[in-house]
Amino acid sequence: DAKTTQPTSMDCAEGRAANLPCNHSTISGNEYVYWYRQIHSQGPQYIIHGLKNNETNEMASLIITEDRKSSTLILPHATLRDTAVYYCIVSEGGTSYGKLTFGQGTILTVHP
Amino acid sequence: DTAVSQTPKYLVTQMGNDKSIKCEQNLGHDTMYWYKQDSKKFLKIMFSYNNKELIINETVPNRFSPKSPDKAHLNLHINSLELGDSAVYFCASSQYLETYEQYFGPGTRLTVT
Repeated sequence: DAKTTQPTSMDCAEGRAANLPCNHSTISGNEYVYWYRQIHSQGPQYIIHGLKNNETNEMASLIITEDRKSSTLILPHATLRDTAVYYCIVSEGGTSYGKLTFGQGTILTVHP
Repeated sequence: DTAVSQTPKYLVTQMGNDKSIKCEQNLGHDTMYWYKQDSKKFLKIMFSYNNKELIINETVPNRFSPKSPDKAHLNLHINSLELGDSAVYFCASSQYLETYEQYFGPGTRLTVT
């Protein structure tokens, strides 16, 4: 079972920032937070990951709260092509050997 | 160049048949995976291989048999196909065994009639 909770759906206006929240209150100290997205009819795409510090790459920023129980993925200037299902995943560590456990994710719709 | 490729993209077949899906990655990664996405859009891991060695085998029927001839290829063979096998199958790869940064292929939509 997924160890994260995300809103089912969100809307965002094109050009505005999209802030996608994720709760992971049972996260352990050595577990990372990963974000993926799946655009319709495509394979999932890795976006970003972090442990406790905020992270930024060319696609997005990841803000992790100090207690690590929640995080927010930020798409700074959403475009129509960012419409997708966004998955927040906690790496299980130990002997899970890279097993990604996908939950239901958040359906982000970017509208003109 | 496509990093992770799968063939075929679509596969329609009848119950009871045997079929294979091929996956190739040109990223030089050590680890490859198969995931299944059912009609309700839930994505679940099926198998993972690291340097041709089976690592993860999630409660998958024996009718599903992955084969890795080399670390760049991971094929999925399915015997005696059933209606419930209809789904989209995704192949993925990662640089190392315990890496959660994975690169997915475009998927193979399998329809069993």
